[in-house]
Amino acid sequence: AQSVTQLGSHVSVSEGALVLLRCNYSSSVPPYLFWYVQYPNQGLQLLLKYTTGATLVKGINGFEAEFKKSETSFHLTKPSAHMSDAAEYFCAVNSNFGNEKLTFGTGTRLTIIP
Amino acid sequence: KAGVTQTPRYLIKTRGQQVTLSCSPISGHRSVSWYQQTPGQGLQFLFEYFSETQRNKGNFPGRFSGRQFSNSRSEMNVSTLELGDSALYLCASSFRGQLSSGANVLTFGAGSRLTVL
Repeated sequence: AQSVTQLGSHVSVSEGALVLLRCNYSSSVPPYLFWYVQYPNQGLQLLLKYTTGATLVKGINGFEAEFKKSETSFHLTKPSAHMSDAAEYFCAVNSNFGNEKLTFGTGTRLTIIP
Repeated sequence: KAGVTQTPRYLIKTRGQQVTLSCSPISGHRSVSWYQQTPGQGLQFLFEYFSETQRNKGNFPGRFSGRQFSNSRSEMNVSTLELGDSALYLCASSFRGQLSSGANVLTFGAGSRLTVL
């Protein structure tokens, strides 16, 4: 079985400050991990993914995430927040060989304070 | 390259009615998945279709069904609508072969927002 926990349903940061969104996963096999972003009235957009190889993954819009197997974590970071980063962020896991089923966390709504 | 297209974007139905939602995947993508998004339950997997066959199904009642056509377009149907079916229904497509590693990226459409009165 696979599951995802996102700590903090709401996070607020000042413009220019560090963004840190937390994600912990549970999987019985090596997982594939994803971060998606959702803007109001839109679908989900992929920010980045970890499959194999380098544990520090860089994505779009200056975001990056580090896969830490020992901590079962895949936290999302961005050095300097921008107003346009305000959105809802979802961490997802897939450890199912043979299908495309993603298990999502409950999401973190990011607010940027001017 | 056109993205994933979902129609209709918004619809209102009353309890007991049925609804059909449509999804056109990215050209060349043969896998289509459906998710339900609600404030209370979050994002939940409904089902996945590949080559016109349902490959995986989530934990939803039989009122929720789907199908995929030979051109990879997909539809989902909800019969006997309940108030709790009000949600954003998201379709996603991916480029996968017969055997999926699970590492493929899902590209989502903008969703169909269903309101049940």
